[in-house]
Amino acid sequence: DAKTTQPPSMDCAEGRAANLPCNHSTISGNEYVYWYRQIHSQGPQYIIHGLKNNETNEMASLIITEDRKSSTLILPHATLRDTAVYYCIATNTGNQFYFGTGTSLTVIP
Amino acid sequence: KAGVTQTPRYLIKTRGQQVTLSCSPISGHRSVSWYQQTPGQGLQFLFEYFSETQRNKGNFPGRFSGRQFSNSRSEMNVSTLELGDSALYLCASSLGGTGVYGYTFGSGTRLTVV
Repeated sequence: DAKTTQPPSMDCAEGRAANLPCNHSTISGNEYVYWYRQIHSQGPQYIIHGLKNNETNEMASLIITEDRKSSTLILPHATLRDTAVYYCIATNTGNQFYFGTGTSLTVIP
Repeated sequence: KAGVTQTPRYLIKTRGQQVTLSCSPISGHRSVSWYQQTPGQGLQFLFEYFSETQRNKGNFPGRFSGRQFSNSRSEMNVSTLELGDSALYLCASSLGGTGVYGYTFGSGTRLTVV
């Protein structure tokens, strides 16, 4: 897996968009970018993944730069329940993830 | 459909004992992976089983072992428990195979070694 770098913490006002960056400058061509989040002491929850195109689902949007060296997870309207640790993972195996330290997102009322 | 089920949810063991944790994957998922999460080391990969065979292994001592049954259910065993084995143990399942599939995680087993 390519190494990913994320800011350790971020704050976001409730109702605003949360933009969580991830750097994966050594990503290889066949590595996907996955995002998971973990709410305190629960199992990580899948959010979204992509290879090179931008992706959107009911939870979030994933924007991957054209050179694929970085990506941004966007939660369009953050709620208090989105407070969690968010992990960005670059992998071509899908079955052995390196989670790193993630970004602790706090949504502020 | 039912999610990934881990049992028990909480466990307290004494140093030197052994423990077995259980994981039932999502129906149809053939790959089961195990992770250890501690405050100091974060989420660390233990091993992955696919079709009853260990396919990948992380950097953990031999005291940590696992197996997978023909119905894809998996168990992990830790022998000669140490205080440092206190952690949240997470199981995750995926379709497996040769593609890149995301995981679905269980809620974990919280192991405390005293």
